[in-house]
Amino acid sequence: GAGVSQSPRYKVTKRGQDVALRCDPISGHVSLYWYRQALGQGPEFLTYFNYEAQQDKSGLPNDRFSAERPEGSISTLTIQRTEQRDSAMYRCASSLAYDQPQHFGDGTRLSIL
Amino acid sequence: QKEVEQDPGPLSVPEGAIVSLNCTYSNSAFQYFMWYRQYSRKGPELLMYTYSSGNKEDGRFTAQVDKSSKYISLFIRDSQPSDSATYLCAMSGGTNAGKSTFGDGTTLTVKP
Repeated sequence: GAGVSQSPRYKVTKRGQDVALRCDPISGHVSLYWYRQALGQGPEFLTYFNYEAQQDKSGLPNDRFSAERPEGSISTLTIQRTEQRDSAMYRCASSLAYDQPQHFGDGTRLSIL
Repeated sequence: QKEVEQDPGPLSVPEGAIVSLNCTYSNSAFQYFMWYRQYSRKGPELLMYTYSSGNKEDGRFTAQVDKSSKYISLFIRDSQPSDSATYLCAMSGGTNAGKSTFGDGTTLTVKP
């Protein structure tokens, strides 16, 4: 497709389980971003990549969160030992370069029981 | 205090009205200013993207940036019911140019 694709759209899991969220950016986009969005709030930055290099991970809440983009295209955000407070909408965006406008996917709704 | 402040509304206007949406910010390093529209259960959709101060017009939408006042605006002319959505401002620049900081959005309803 032409847009940013995220999977799964919905993920429900039990507390303590690990989850992996996938993002497939727009073809040719160098930069890829992960955000988390709570209801009624704007997206909150987590981390971003240029190609396969992670440029900024200052927004990752703690060391249970990690992200990778090994071949400079698809990215995975992994949350280990999930907690209820991790429940949120996780959004991915991509752009032609780090200073170009970001285009968002429709997100993954994560619910931790 | 948040780096980017946005009045949450809700804002309700009749069809055809001019809508003004605003954000203020505190980080003088911001250089790129964006407005996104977000429909329910969808991702943010980019509406306007401007660099530094000035105005930018695209159809019914006009974005204004006043860096001296740390204030940005989005104007929607001849508003339509299909404009009903949440509008998010976002900004980036400085040493963390890849990181965008968002406002919490203003919910707009345009009544036919």
